[in-house]
Amino acid sequence: AQSVSQHNHHVILSEAASLELGCNYSYGGTVNLFWYVQYPGQHLQLLLKYFSGDPLVKGIKGFEAEFIKSKFSFNLRKPSVQWSDTAEYFCAVNGPGGYQKVTFGTGTKLQVIP
Amino acid sequence: DTGVSQNPRHKITKRGQNVTFRCDPISEHNRLYWYRQTLGQGPEFLTYFQNEAQLEKSRLLSDRFSAERPKGSFSTLEIQRTEQGDSAMYLCASSLGTGFSGNTIYFGEGSWLTVV
Repeated sequence: AQSVSQHNHHVILSEAASLELGCNYSYGGTVNLFWYVQYPGQHLQLLLKYFSGDPLVKGIKGFEAEFIKSKFSFNLRKPSVQWSDTAEYFCAVNGPGGYQKVTFGTGTKLQVIP
Repeated sequence: DTGVSQNPRHKITKRGQNVTFRCDPISEHNRLYWYRQTLGQGPEFLTYFQNEAQLEKSRLLSDRFSAERPKGSFSTLEIQRTEQGDSAMYLCASSLGTGFSGNTIYFGEGSWLTVV
């Protein structure tokens, strides 16, 4: 079965620092990739997604992610974080092809210190 | 803008009681998903409907759990004879798609269950 690994469980950064959160999945082939964010007390919201095409995808709020097929990775990046980025971030994978369920990683809690 | 709606938002129940959660997906979304999330974990897939057909069920969904989507619109998730281990957030999500298309899944705010 597909599995998703997020290696950073808790990240603490100062404002303006750069962010990179790792995400690896286990099964290759045709996959769709997502990053979701959950702000305190709110529901999961989509940050960005990769379906096909350019492996560097841009999402909302200045986030981007790069799909590296050979490494089964989809890392999330932001050049300069803000206090309002404090949240939990989940990587998710749909596939391999034919499987509709989306498998989530365990999440990374990001705390941004002003 | 009507997103995915879930109710009740919170439910406290005694062990052994039955509980039912309702999910109203985004209008015209043909796919509906149930997930469970516990503290410190990512959402875990429970089941998935395409229209009214339940196409996939996780092994996490024991015999005490049943989900329905009778008219292909709203869905219910019932847990019978609740156990303390059932305490979790139950998330509903929906999407629009056919085949293995790149469909984006939109989540509701979840229903918190506490079994005492």
